[in-house]
Amino acid sequence: DSGVTQTPKHLITATGQRVTLRCSPRSGDLSVYWYQQSLDQGLQFLIQYYNGEERAKGNILERFSAQQFPDLHSELNLSSLELGDSALYFCASSISSGLSTDTQYFGPGTRLTVL
Amino acid sequence: AQKVTQAQTEISVVEKEDVTLDCVYETRDTTYYLFWYKQPPSGELVFLIRRNSFDEQNEISGRYSWNFQKSTSSFNFTITASQVVDSAVYFCALSEVYFGNEKLTFGTGTRLTIIP
Repeated sequence: DSGVTQTPKHLITATGQRVTLRCSPRSGDLSVYWYQQSLDQGLQFLIQYYNGEERAKGNILERFSAQQFPDLHSELNLSSLELGDSALYFCASSISSGLSTDTQYFGPGTRLTVL
Repeated sequence: AQKVTQAQTEISVVEKEDVTLDCVYETRDTTYYLFWYKQPPSGELVFLIRRNSFDEQNEISGRYSWNFQKSTSSFNFTITASQVVDSAVYFCALSEVYFGNEKLTFGTGTRLTIIP
């Protein structure tokens, strides 16, 4: 158990809908990362938040947004869903000491299926 | 831009054999970090090792060992006396330290099957 929690575990929805994925980082970790794992794109970095602020953006679509709350949990919002958004979405967290790249510990993932 | 190549898509070995998973990376930075993660059939990503670019010492952890060679930009992973529980997809990843951006760039993974 990495200490990172994600809910829900599975999500099935229809095209055009909007969903919210939730992540709670390990105790003491300030950074939260979101990654998407799909068959065609592999594991792709989406976005990083550090202590409530957006720190880095990857290949995140404009239909996707994220935020990190004062208690450091994070939510990833996916809207106007398309079939191609079906994937496993991982959240990871790290201390982000600022001195180096700290280890990112991953949650169990949320499997999103868009029908 | 950083890139990680895992040329072996799938490997199958008989239990108790040794197996090496290859990882080749590209980066323009002198400071970077390399990682290996395991993704068992249950789907989670499990951290195995983190190594910085200044530490070229090989590392051993039980049946697992890692060989880091900057000269060939490789960070290979060997499992000795493989077991069925080692069956999983293994990912190599690279992170450059750039203005606090600690994103991981993953390879495409190697699916390892241990045959009993």
